[in-house]
Amino acid sequence: DAGITQSPRHKVTETGTPVTLRCHQTENHRYMYWYRQDPGHGLRLIHYSYGVKDTDKGEVSDGYSVSRSKTEDFLLTLESATSSQTSVYFCAVTPGDRWGSPLHFGNGTRLTVT
Amino acid sequence: ILNVEQSPQSLHVQEGDSTNFTCSFPSSNFYALHWYRWETAKSPEALFVMTLNGDEKKKGRISATLNTKEGYSYLYIKGSQPEDSATYLCASSSNAGGTSYGKLTFGQGTILTVHP
Repeated sequence: DAGITQSPRHKVTETGTPVTLRCHQTENHRYMYWYRQDPGHGLRLIHYSYGVKDTDKGEVSDGYSVSRSKTEDFLLTLESATSSQTSVYFCAVTPGDRWGSPLHFGNGTRLTVT
Repeated sequence: ILNVEQSPQSLHVQEGDSTNFTCSFPSSNFYALHWYRWETAKSPEALFVMTLNGDEKKKGRISATLNTKEGYSYLYIKGSQPEDSATYLCASSSNAGGTSYGKLTFGQGTILTVHP
């Protein structure tokens, strides 16, 4: 699993509350990603990081922010959760530190916004 | 093609059948094409990454080809087994500059069910 741990694994929260998901990796990978998976949409990129404090937006970044203050942690924050953000969130890393390397995914976080 | 598209959406085959799926992707500024296998209740696992036109990759009974000029890739499974049942995802990235290489766009996947 390329040393990736996502926490929490499951979370239920109410609309309007802030939520932070954590992705922790132990192998010093440079590139980290947050995806969401929804039926009919496959995996969609939210944000990604190419180094400490270096991040960029993906295709569905509205309503999300990220932070990477140290190599091992990539945090995804929903500033004010909405029901449309109910999803399964996957963190991924790129071992080998090359853009063309395959992604290794974490086990996912199932988030339900009520 | 602006998005990554996969066909068919789902496929049911009998054990022992050979099958193939298609992935269409933007051919302009192409950088890399990825294939992943995603079993239920697990995380996606990488099968192949291909970058060069004409690339062919093989892993056991699974193989893939790449045509970057026309923007398509085929995934083949020879002699399907029930354990091959999974969703097969493809994803592409571009070299449009900056950090675009990191923006993998996934297709919706092909759901394969292999019946014993």
